[in-house]
Amino acid sequence: QKEVEQNSGPLSVPEGAIASLNCTYSDRGSQSFFWYRQYSGKSPELIMFIYSNGDKEDGRFTAQLNKASQYVSLLIRDSQPSDSATYLCAVEDIDSGAGSYQLTFGKGTKLSVIP
Amino acid sequence: KAGVTQTPRYLIKTRGQQVTLSCSPISGHRSVSWYQQTPGQGLQFLFEYFSETQRNKGNFPGRFSGRQFSNSRSEMNVSTLELGDSALYLCASKNWIVNTEAFFGQGTRLTVV
Repeated sequence: QKEVEQNSGPLSVPEGAIASLNCTYSDRGSQSFFWYRQYSGKSPELIMFIYSNGDKEDGRFTAQLNKASQYVSLLIRDSQPSDSATYLCAVEDIDSGAGSYQLTFGKGTKLSVIP
Repeated sequence: KAGVTQTPRYLIKTRGQQVTLSCSPISGHRSVSWYQQTPGQGLQFLFEYFSETQRNKGNFPGRFSGRQFSNSRSEMNVSTLELGDSALYLCASKNWIVNTEAFFGQGTRLTVV
């Protein structure tokens, strides 16, 4: 069974600091990786996706992928109290035969940004 | 552009009853997937539908079923409800014409008492 592992946290960082969230996955053949943010009582909101090794930056967010190490990370620069949420790492698996896909999620890391 | 719409937002049911949840995907998206989120298990894949066909199913008992209509709207049904079915049920919409990411609806919070 494919697995996605994240530290559950809570991860506490002071406002303005860099928050670093990590994720490892078990299936070496996985190709697509997503970070979702989920506020308490709300649904997951996509914030980043990455397909290629290396870094991908979008505003204050940087996703990093290392397929050899089966490792994905999310950096949040200049963390704000509004970034306080649970961050979910998701790995997409595509069944090319059936033409279907599914996301396997980690259990999420709870981030708390302290003013 | 409207997002993914799930109805109802909240439901309270009694053990043994059945329930039907509805999901309308983003316009033009033909893939609809369902996920169950619980505090203990996190987000778990239930099934995926595309063009009215179930293409993939997660490891859930047969009490969980679904269908998709010609307009891509999808329904999920849970029969003989158990206390453990209490969860947030999320629907995700994806555009396979352009292989984009999946977007989630607001979810349906089901409480079984």
